[in-house]
Amino acid sequence: DSGVTQTPKHLITATGQRVTLRCSPRSGDLSVYWYQQSLDQGLQFLIQYYNGEERAKGNILERFSAQQFPDLHSELNLSSLELGDSALYFCASSVGQLTDTQYFGPGTRLTVL
Amino acid sequence: AQTVTQSQPEMSVQEAETVTLSCTYDTSENNYYLFWYKQPPSRQMILVIRQEAYKQQNATENRFSVNFQKAAKSFSLKISDSQLGDTAMYFCAFMKHSNYQLIWGAGTKLIIKP
Repeated sequence: DSGVTQTPKHLITATGQRVTLRCSPRSGDLSVYWYQQSLDQGLQFLIQYYNGEERAKGNILERFSAQQFPDLHSELNLSSLELGDSALYFCASSVGQLTDTQYFGPGTRLTVL
Repeated sequence: AQTVTQSQPEMSVQEAETVTLSCTYDTSENNYYLFWYKQPPSRQMILVIRQEAYKQQNATENRFSVNFQKAAKSFSLKISDSQLGDTAMYFCAFMKHSNYQLIWGAGTKLIIKP
């Protein structure tokens, strides 16, 4: 158990809908990262937050947004969902904002029908 | 742009054997970090080992060790005395010093046979 929690574990929804994925980092970690793992594109970095501020952006679609709250938990919002958004979404956390080791949560499996 | 290549889509060995997974990367950076993560059937992503590029000494963690060849841009993972619980996807990942995102290889599926 890495100490990073993600909810829900599974999510099934329809195209066009909006969902919110939640992540709680390890105790003491200030950075949160979001990754998408899909069959066709593998693992991709989406976005990073450090202590409430966005610090790095990767291949995140405009339909997706994220935020980190004062209690350091983070939410990834996915809207206007498409079939291709079906994937495993991981949250990871690290102590700081430098190249600390990232510890991953169990992931949320999103299925868009 | 950085890229990470894992040339072995799948490998299988007998329990207790030693296996080496290959990873090469392409970068013009001098300061960076390399990682091996394991993803068992549970889908949890678990850190196996980490290597700082400025360190010449190869990292080791119990039965796991790496062969880091900076000039050749190679970062292989050796698993000694393999166990059934080592069955998983193994991902090699790169992170440059000034950036926080992990760049991932496509993964190698490792099967340990009893």
